[in-house]
Amino acid sequence: AQSVTQLDSQVPVFEEAPVELRCNYSSSVSVYLFWYVQYPNQGLQLLLKYLSGSTLVKGINGFEAEFNKSQTSFHLRKPSVHISDTAEYFCAVTAGGYNKLIFGAGTRLAVHP
Amino acid sequence: DGGITQSPKYLFRKEGQNVTLSCEQNLNHDAMYWYRQDPGQGLRLIYYSQIVNDFQKGDIAEGYSVSREKKESFPLTVTSAQKNPTAFYLCATYPSTTREADTQYFGPGTRLTVL
Repeated sequence: AQSVTQLDSQVPVFEEAPVELRCNYSSSVSVYLFWYVQYPNQGLQLLLKYLSGSTLVKGINGFEAEFNKSQTSFHLRKPSVHISDTAEYFCAVTAGGYNKLIFGAGTRLAVHP
Repeated sequence: DGGITQSPKYLFRKEGQNVTLSCEQNLNHDAMYWYRQDPGQGLRLIYYSQIVNDFQKGDIAEGYSVSREKKESFPLTVTSAQKNPTAFYLCATYPSTTREADTQYFGPGTRLTVL
């Protein structure tokens, strides 16, 4: 069965600093990987996804993630964060052809001035 | 959020009462899902439906029921059998059950508080 571990429940960072949100997954089959962002009391919005091909995936709002099959990781990065990036971020996985998502517990990113 | 509507945004009910949460979509997506979100636990799947008049239990279906009489609508009923119903409920859709590698689209959510 698939599972997702987000290694940090909270990440505080100063504005304009770089940030990395860590995500590890376990699966015995090929996977598709996703990062979603959730602002307070709102639904989830897709940041980026890895389906196949290049292991470096670029998403919206300047975020990118790198798929590392040997380490079963899909860490999310941004070189310079803004106050508006303050939100909760979820990593998710689904097996190929299987449209159910397994979510991590989430990482709360808090950007301070 | 796009073409997915969840109403109401906030809902209060007394303990022991059933309550129905609405989810409507105009995206013509095949599949629909209900998730429950609790702090620190991510999202957990309650029920999903890949086609009209058919649905399957997710990981935490006990105390919930659904129906899918129309492609556009997938209401969730939280029954009195659900022991801890206070949570944020999210509805999602998926474009085509015959197409892999797409993403789910989420509604804005309903926050249910049982007093």
